[in-house]
Amino acid sequence: EPEVTQTPSHQVTQMGQEVILRCVPISNHLYFYWYRQILGQKVEFLVSFYNNEISEKSEIFDDQFSVERPDGSNFTLKIRSTKLEDSAMYFCARETSGTYEQYFGPGTRLTVT
Amino acid sequence: RKEVEQDPGPFNVPEGATVAFNCTYSNSASQSFFWYRQDCRKEPKLLMSVYSSGNEDGRFTAQLNRASQYISLLIRDSKLSDSATYLCVALIQGAQKLVFGQGTRLTINP
Repeated sequence: EPEVTQTPSHQVTQMGQEVILRCVPISNHLYFYWYRQILGQKVEFLVSFYNNEISEKSEIFDDQFSVERPDGSNFTLKIRSTKLEDSAMYFCARETSGTYEQYFGPGTRLTVT
Repeated sequence: RKEVEQDPGPFNVPEGATVAFNCTYSNSASQSFFWYRQDCRKEPKLLMSVYSSGNEDGRFTAQLNRASQYISLLIRDSKLSDSATYLCVALIQGAQKLVFGQGTRLTINP
């Protein structure tokens, strides 16, 4: 059983378009994370989100990116104006409180053309 | 210098063999350590957390040496299903973010 579900599984978009990637936790958690993995490269941290606020973000997470939890359930990552180099797998993760262990969703493959 | 460094492999070993992976980390703020496995085009899946005293889970044994900033994973009696990429991961204290190594690709041959 997945820890979180992510939609869509695959998104194709044109350069300059906005995309919203969604993450739905199976149960109620406070800590969420977004990571990305460009094909053939390592997994990279983007942003952590705790109690409905950003707690940490990487240099990759520039003004083109935003996260929110609009309805208290879904956790979204928005890329305002996609670039070719945004093509990657985007993983949502949640943390089991007290263990620091993070469990990843199945990912969304984003292809920017 | 990479924050988490692994030998990328590939490692090709026969079924039933014992295989060991090593990993070094450079950030002394690294608080906790993990091994994840990742199958092709899938999400990373937590294999085990790594404790200073060393820990074992079935055929898998993980060790942490904080003085040397070194982490290892040992797989005994390897199975075909162990074929995957193994990711060494450090948690950065305070930031609560995971820093991943490049991964070590393992193929178990029948």
